[in-house]
Amino acid sequence: EDQVTQSPEALRLQEGESSSLNCSYTVSGLRGLFWYRQDPGKGPEFLFTLYSAGEEKEKERLKATLTKKESFLHITAPKPEDSATYLCAVLYGGATNKLIFGTGTLLAVQP
Amino acid sequence: EAQVTQNPRYLITVTGKKLTVTCSQNMNHEYMSWYRQDPGLGLRQIYYSMNVEVTDKGDVPEGYKVSRKEKRNFPLILESPSPNQTSLYFCASSFERGYQETQYFGPGTRLLVL
Repeated sequence: EDQVTQSPEALRLQEGESSSLNCSYTVSGLRGLFWYRQDPGKGPEFLFTLYSAGEEKEKERLKATLTKKESFLHITAPKPEDSATYLCAVLYGGATNKLIFGTGTLLAVQP
Repeated sequence: EAQVTQNPRYLITVTGKKLTVTCSQNMNHEYMSWYRQDPGLGLRQIYYSMNVEVTDKGDVPEGYKVSRKEKRNFPLILESPSPNQTSLYFCASSFERGYQETQYFGPGTRLLVL
């Protein structure tokens, strides 16, 4: 079954305490993997797209990496404003592209 | 400012009373879609549209209708809402539904069906 799983469901960090979020997937024909940030009461906001294993993207304190089975979102020295739900989504398939979202990781960064 | 707008943002209705949630984007995007977000289930696609007059079902289309008469607008119609359609709804748009897909999401519409 095509599936996207994010872990952990929730993560609490102290300000400055680096960590990683995981997005594992079991799909055929990966076309792209996307990371989004979602703040309470708002729509998801695009962060990164990764297309192939070994690819990495960075933005401020965030770095996304991709392997053949999973993606990691590394958060270096997080700040309270990084608190949000982080969603990953996988685009896969041939002629009929399908997009599956994970259920997200709720990140809380305490000062 | 490039954006996707939805109206209303909050809606309480009763079972069977037809309603429409509007969605509009000002980025001249071809691809638009509707999602619902429920706790523990993630975002699930309801319907999508590749361009004007071209729409197709997503993963959970039952009980919903859409239309795409203009490129910028993509309304979601619930002909006879039921309590299981209580959810948080998001409209999204992107330049194209393809390899380089970056979707821009609206602010969401929270719907409660009594």
